[in-house]
Amino acid sequence: KQEVTQIPAALSVPEGENLVLNCSFTDSAIYNLQWFRQDPGKGLTSLLLIQSSQREQTSGRLNASLDKSSGRSTLYIAASQPGDSATYLCAVGAGSARQLTFGSGTQLTVLP
Amino acid sequence: GAVVSQHPSWVICKSGTSVKIECRSLDFQATTMFWYRQFPKQSLMLMATSNEGSKATYEQGVEKDKFLINHASLTLSTLTVTSAHPEDSSFYICSARLPLLAGEQYFGPGTRLTVT
Repeated sequence: KQEVTQIPAALSVPEGENLVLNCSFTDSAIYNLQWFRQDPGKGLTSLLLIQSSQREQTSGRLNASLDKSSGRSTLYIAASQPGDSATYLCAVGAGSARQLTFGSGTQLTVLP
Repeated sequence: GAVVSQHPSWVICKSGTSVKIECRSLDFQATTMFWYRQFPKQSLMLMATSNEGSKATYEQGVEKDKFLINHASLTLSTLTVTSAHPEDSSFYICSARLPLLAGEQYFGPGTRLTVT
């Protein structure tokens, strides 16, 4: 059974810092990996999708990498801003319907 | 981008009653939709996979007779919580997958259910 782990569980940084969020998964037979952002009491916003054949994806200040063989992904956020404060969730897609298995998330706080 | 809506955004019901939650893909057709549940301070747990025109596939431990899923069209899936109890109180989120085989999932804004 796929297990997804995210480290750290919580992170607090001053504005302007670059930071890295980590995600690991136990079964490398995945189709894709997605990073999401969730604000308190809200749904999920998709940030980046990496297909299993890809190594990384970039969108603005965000860069996500995928090392399928070692079961790891990282989300790099450059020049963090207070508006980046949220919970970041990593999810791996597998199975015939590409079902997502979620990690427990990293709660990020960017201090002004 | 692809938009998924949910209705209602929140609902309070009495124990023993049933509640229906709708999930719609607004600007694309979704042959596959998913239902998740999220308890406070926890991550999302997949409840079931909903395929248009066929029966839903439930995850282990999810009672299919309690959580009725109907995916009657390519843009609408419904989740009915039957005979709700306080322990069913949770945040229910749906997602819809783009028709591409490795398509991205887009999530609805969620429905907060409180059973009193």
